Amino acid sequence: GAVVSQHPSWVICKSGTSVKIECRSLDFQATTMFWYRQFPKQSLMLMATSNEGSKATYEQGVEKDKFLINHASLTLSTLTVTSAHPEDSSFYICSASPPGGGYEQYFGPGTRLTVT
Amino acid sequence: AQSVAQPEDQVNVAEGNPLTVKCTYSVSGNPYLFWYVQYPNRGLQFLLKYITGDNLVKGSYGFEAEFNKSQTSFHLKKPSALVSDSALYFCAVRAPGSARQLTFGSGTQLTVLP
Repeated sequence: GAVVSQHPSWVICKSGTSVKIECRSLDFQATTMFWYRQFPKQSLMLMATSNEGSKATYEQGVEKDKFLINHASLTLSTLTVTSAHPEDSSFYICSASPPGGGYEQYFGPGTRLTVT
Repeated sequence: AQSVAQPEDQVNVAEGNPLTVKCTYSVSGNPYLFWYVQYPNRGLQFLLKYITGDNLVKGSYGFEAEFNKSQTSFHLKKPSALVSDSALYFCAVRAPGSARQLTFGSGTQLTVLP
């Protein structure tokens, strides 16, 4: 089946610094990837849709200048949390759908971000 | 706008007993419906989907779900629960013709007791 990876799996950073999270589709090309945020024991909240070669589409309430998304190739999307604060601590998950139908999305293993 | 409701935050069932995790949805048109499972500190794993065709769909690990259009439901079921089935389960919906992002329910924590 389709495989999506994320790196790093966990990261601790100091308040005010920036952190980059990578999402890769390992065995398929993805023109679109999705970034979600999940708080403990809660559902996934869509943050943005990452489009290869163009600007990301952000959901209402998500600060585009704080959560920078770059989809530079058909297998890689990155999420950069800029000037991180403790309230940005969360579990970030990406997903992608293989082309050609199927409709389901495949999710990365997630990245646990802790801002101290 | 589309939405998904999972009315139970927690479901407990004894090992070997049948399990049901409930899901209802609201969407314009015929829905695409999905079930995912999440283990602690992990991403979501795809279990099964309903796109069209037979209302009863079978998926991974012995799970199945029944699409009921009149009740707008898509309950997840398994005839005999295993302790290893204990996890967080999410129902999701996507409206046909929409962008590919999914709308998720709030999740149901399934605990299978030995």
